[in-house]
Amino acid sequence: SAVISQKPSRDICQRGTSLTIQCQVDSQVTMMFWYRQQPGQSLTLIATANQGSEATYESGFVIDKFPISRPNLTFSTLTVSNMSPEDSSIYLCSATTGENIQYFGAGTRLSVL
Amino acid sequence: QQPVQSPQAVILREGEDAVINCSSSKALYSVHWYRQKHGEAPVFLMILLKGGEQKGHEKISASFNEKKQQSSLYLTASQLSYSGTYFCGTETPSYGKLTFGQGTILTVHP
Repeated sequence: SAVISQKPSRDICQRGTSLTIQCQVDSQVTMMFWYRQQPGQSLTLIATANQGSEATYESGFVIDKFPISRPNLTFSTLTVSNMSPEDSSIYLCSATTGENIQYFGAGTRLSVL
Repeated sequence: QQPVQSPQAVILREGEDAVINCSSSKALYSVHWYRQKHGEAPVFLMILLKGGEQKGHEKISASFNEKKQQSSLYLTASQLSYSGTYFCGTETPSYGKLTFGQGTILTVHP
């Protein structure tokens, strides 16, 4: 299994600012992902974080808005840039083990005023 | 395309059984099941792979019909701790990426 730590756990930000969310895994994993989840709704994949190269973004998400880094096998960051109230959501990091099981962090609750 | 889960919600008494279904329009490599409680991370329950292999909790069972691209999660003798939202995540041959269903809210009452 894998234990995933995310920080911050929650934040309240002003419109137009940026927030960087960190994700740390306690063991080596094959893949890391970032999701967005509106309260009471499903999980939507933002991007796959690739080690040492540019992330792979899903339709509707762009690098300028959600830059992602993954400098090593166990750490990744997601930045939410130039925030607006529509970016208020829960952002979750996940990682896949060698058994193809995906584990999730507890998420970052973001509110944009 | 997002898989479709049914039912959207189910209410049980302790000890009752429930089945949650997940259906996809795409050919699947695997189906993953998670339970999420309010304000917490989704917790892995079960993975079902094409070809019949399964990995997961001993007390939870599930099935995967590869021809119909459907999976079902069977919750028997439900406990209060089973309450939460259940999500299926489907994996196409694009390895590793999961697309999640809309969720099924399960409530277990004493």
